[in-house]
Amino acid sequence: TQLLEQSPQFLSIQEGENLTVYCNSSSVFSSLQWYRQEPGEGPVLLVTVVTGGEVKKLKRLTFQFGDARKDSSLHITAAQPGDTGLYLCAGGAAGNKLTFGGGTRVLVKP
Amino acid sequence: DSGVTQTPKHLITATGQRVTLRCSPRSGDLSVYWYQQSLDQGLQFLIHYYNGEERAKGNILERFSAQQFPDLHSELNLSSLELGDSALYFCASSSLLQGNTEAFFGQGTRLTVV
Repeated sequence: TQLLEQSPQFLSIQEGENLTVYCNSSSVFSSLQWYRQEPGEGPVLLVTVVTGGEVKKLKRLTFQFGDARKDSSLHITAAQPGDTGLYLCAGGAAGNKLTFGGGTRVLVKP
Repeated sequence: DSGVTQTPKHLITATGQRVTLRCSPRSGDLSVYWYQQSLDQGLQFLIHYYNGEERAKGNILERFSAQQFPDLHSELNLSSLELGDSALYFCASSSLLQGNTEAFFGQGTRLTVV
């Protein structure tokens, strides 16, 4: 069974601070996605990383896929209240179901 | 708009009853996943269908069942409902082509069992 563990489970920071969320597994994934979910809404795909060591940037968000394709991180620079939400990582292998981490709830206070 | 449609958006029903949740995937996506999310929890995988066939099962209760029809829409049936079944139920679709497992989620159905 493939498992993804996210840490921390909850993060509360002030506007303007930086934060990093981690997603770790003992399994290798062919791709890994990050999603953000706001209350009452469905998760929205932020990015997909495929290649070991890959780094992708989306404005103030930086995503990294580990060299062994077993872990990933999400770093937010100068967080804003609009970044508040539940961040989920998910790993997949060809033809198989997506495995989701437990999520990290981020609160950015103005 | 993700292109995935779930109905109804809200459902309130009594214990012991049976409900059906419906999902229409994005055009061209063959895979449908169902997830349950309880208050302040992560997403719990229930079941995965690909082109009409069941591909994987998660921690889905025996009281719950699902199917995917020839037109690729899917239904999740929940029976003998209990208070603890109150949750958000999400469906997601994916193309699963060339190992691409990106999933696109619907808005969810909020089920309240009273």
